[in-house]
Amino acid sequence: QKEVEQNSGPLSVPEGAIASLNCTYSDRGSQSFFWYRQYSGKSPELIMSIYSNGDKEDGRFTAQLNKASQYVSLLIRDSQPSDSATYLCAVTEGRTDKLIFGTGTRLQVFP
Amino acid sequence: DVKVTQSSRYLVKRTGEKVFLECVQDMDHENMFWYRQDPGLGLRLIYFSYDVKMKEKGDIPEGYSVSREKKERFSLILESASTNQTSMYLCATGTSGNTDTQYFGPGTRLTVL
Repeated sequence: QKEVEQNSGPLSVPEGAIASLNCTYSDRGSQSFFWYRQYSGKSPELIMSIYSNGDKEDGRFTAQLNKASQYVSLLIRDSQPSDSATYLCAVTEGRTDKLIFGTGTRLQVFP
Repeated sequence: DVKVTQSSRYLVKRTGEKVFLECVQDMDHENMFWYRQDPGLGLRLIYFSYDVKMKEKGDIPEGYSVSREKKERFSLILESASTNQTSMYLCATGTSGNTDTQYFGPGTRLTVL
């Protein structure tokens, strides 16, 4: 059974701090890696994708990928209360177009 | 911008009814997916389609069928709704190939009484 593991949280950080979200995956054949944000009662929204080892930055978000360790992370700098949501990690199932999702980490940013 | 729409935001049906959930995308994407999302279980793939009239079972296809007669439209059918099919249903669309990005519709919260 191919899996994506995330700590369910909640992860609580103060406004302005860096939030660090982590994800491990079991399928060594996974090619593409994604972070989605999901507000309560809403559908997932893509915020980052990463395809090769290293860091990828987009505004306040940085995705990090380490394929050797089968590890993906998301850093949110200058966290805002509006960042409070559940963050889903997703990886491709091998070389297919299917995604395997983690169950998400709930982030709470308090003022 | 990718636009994915779903036919209903909220739906209430009775046990044994046949239920149709429809998803429409305007981005000419080859792939379309149906998931259900339940607390603690995350997103689980029900069916997906990589082309018109093509479909493949996902992880939990039992009790569901799908139809894709046109590229932009992918329907999920609950042949005889049961209470354990009460859930949030999410449609997603995406291109095939290396990027594999999926974009989600707003979701349908289905309650089966």
